[in-house]
Amino acid sequence: QQQVKQSPQSLIVQKGGISIINCAYENTAFDYFPWYQQFPGKGPALLIAIRPDVSEKKEGRFTISFNKSAKQFSLHIMDSQPGDSATYFCAASSQFLNAGGTSYGKLTFGQGTILTVHP
Amino acid sequence: KAGVTQTPRYLIKTRGQQVTLSCSPISGHRSVSWYQQTPGQGLQFLFEYFSETQRNKGNFPGRFSGRQFSNSRSEMNVSTLELGDSALYLCASKAGPGTDTQYFGPGTRLTVL
Repeated sequence: QQQVKQSPQSLIVQKGGISIINCAYENTAFDYFPWYQQFPGKGPALLIAIRPDVSEKKEGRFTISFNKSAKQFSLHIMDSQPGDSATYFCAASSQFLNAGGTSYGKLTFGQGTILTVHP
Repeated sequence: KAGVTQTPRYLIKTRGQQVTLSCSPISGHRSVSWYQQTPGQGLQFLFEYFSETQRNKGNFPGRFSGRQFSNSRSEMNVSTLELGDSALYLCASKAGPGTDTQYFGPGTRLTVL
């Protein structure tokens, strides 16, 4: 129930096209959904994140669409560029209460999508 | 503001040895988490520290341990290294337990021979 399933594993898009990566989760306690971008030899960098109270969030060319009833969320990259070629990870986490108050727990990651944008 | 820094960046060890990795969080961040990244298992949570106390732990054997210092810097230790411990070890920092956004460092690439 803690899994986050990500698809596709790899994606090839032409420059200027739209890249779409999908994720699905089971744990309804998840309430924070970030997307990370990782280049070879680097750590993951936060791209954009969403909470379940909104269905869409846009930042520049990156948009998250969120479907709470289907327990799915997706990343759309508009006008894809060769510089967007990287591995993309979706993730999810939930709040929990402990002696110290409310905390956000671990990030549960999808398996990643290798995006290649051809010039 | 400087990002998360990790040292060393690369490390080669042999089976049975132990290793210590270091992480300095973003200035002002007090919570540090560690993740292991491998091609087969992806990104997996190891543990989180706040106020020098372990707050959360993933499903890793006791050979994996960590600690946090009063300046929020953190170290993780792996004892009795196995070939399967070869991975990229990532440190992530956030402002505190009640915040959600985690920022990752560049990682330490550990190779066990």
